[in-house]
Amino acid sequence: NAGVMQNPRHLVRRRGQEARLRCSPMKGHSHVYWYRQLPEEGLKFMVYLQKENIIDESGMPKERFSAEFPKEGPSILRIQQVVRGDSAAYFCASSPAGGTRNEQFFGPGTRLTVL
Amino acid sequence: AQKITQTQPGMFVQEKEAVTLDCTYDTSDPSYGLFWYKQPSSGEMIFLIYQGSYDQQNATEGRYSLNFQKARKSANLVISASQLGDSAMYFCAMREAQGGSEKLVFGKGTKLTVNP
Repeated sequence: NAGVMQNPRHLVRRRGQEARLRCSPMKGHSHVYWYRQLPEEGLKFMVYLQKENIIDESGMPKERFSAEFPKEGPSILRIQQVVRGDSAAYFCASSPAGGTRNEQFFGPGTRLTVL
Repeated sequence: AQKITQTQPGMFVQEKEAVTLDCTYDTSDPSYGLFWYKQPSSGEMIFLIYQGSYDQQNATEGRYSLNFQKARKSANLVISASQLGDSAMYFCAMREAQGGSEKLVFGKGTKLTVNP
């Protein structure tokens, strides 16, 4: 059973370009979460999605950031017009629907570097 | 106010000894879950152990145990018989049941170094 997959693992963008980060949850998992980790910091929640629905986007910056989890295919975190401050590690996690503890399984992360 | 507080930026331990990593939390929700994750230098997040707020016993997973003191709102991680491979960042996290969101709130982490 493959774990959570994220690609690319490393992404370099110039200021003003767009960044697209992909996340394929574990098989059978319908909940996806995105977190951002700045250097020397803990992870900060960004958004929680279920298939075709955004459940909680309270951690998403109001501008330039968007996320989707379509019926088919991976979840996508999109950052438009990137700035240097967007440089961070972006982690995706997934969990199954229901469950008593809803353990979140993390992907390996995408390291975004904005030049 | 911070939801998760890890007061130890760095900890050192001798190989084969036990070490305790501190974590305190703040919530008014009676139902919550507490997690510990390990992040080695390679960067991935590895789940270690979980404690539910209603669990009667402290959680244990191999060499990891969680010293859960509900009245003090603390959930310290104990690693027994430390190994060199335990050197990593350790993050405490909490999930609250309120509001329907399943998000985890993380502390700033503790960097553990195991010395030979």
